[in-house]
Amino acid sequence: DAKTTQPTSMDCAEGRAANLPCNHSTISGNEYVYWYRQIHSQGPQYIIHGLKNNETNEMASLIITEDRKSSTLILPHATLRDTAVYYCIANNNDMRFGAGTRLTVKP
Amino acid sequence: EAGVAQSPRYKIIEKRQSVAFWCNPISGHATLYWYQQILGQGPKLLIQFQNNGVVDDSQLPKDRFSAERLKGVDSTLKIQPAKLEDSAVYLCASSQWPSGAGDTEAFFGQGTRLTVV
Repeated sequence: DAKTTQPTSMDCAEGRAANLPCNHSTISGNEYVYWYRQIHSQGPQYIIHGLKNNETNEMASLIITEDRKSSTLILPHATLRDTAVYYCIANNNDMRFGAGTRLTVKP
Repeated sequence: EAGVAQSPRYKIIEKRQSVAFWCNPISGHATLYWYQQILGQGPKLLIQFQNNGVVDDSQLPKDRFSAERLKGVDSTLKIQPAKLEDSAVYLCASSQWPSGAGDTEAFFGQGTRLTVV
């Protein structure tokens, strides 16, 4: 499975878009990019996933570069409840998490 | 739809004692995962089952940890004997299809917080 690299932490102002980057330069052609988040004291929660095309759902948008070596998770209007650790996984055979990005949404 | 159920929520044991955690995945989900999450770190995959068979247990400390998924539904994770460094949250997750199928999401339980003293 491809290794992913994410910034350790990020801040975002409430109501603004939060853009969380992920590098997965060794991703293979059939590996999906998954995003999960973990709010304090809870289990991880699925957000979105994609293979090649950009994806959008009620929670977020996922932008995958054409070469698939990186992606960005976009929370269009961040709220205080979006404060969490966000994990990017390039998955083919198992669900292995890295350290993730700690996003803090500030008033 | 009921989520992934785990019990107990909390457990405190002394080192060298044994402990077991239970997980009931979402009905119909073939794949089940156990993770260990130490405070401040991301979840570490311990073992992955596909129905009642083990797909990946490469990160499971087999000298003290064991897991089973009889009948391909519920699963138990056991630690015997426990060490201080086993203090962590143990998370169970399930997905409908194997992660290798690509297009599947995993659902997580609330976890069991283990404290070894």
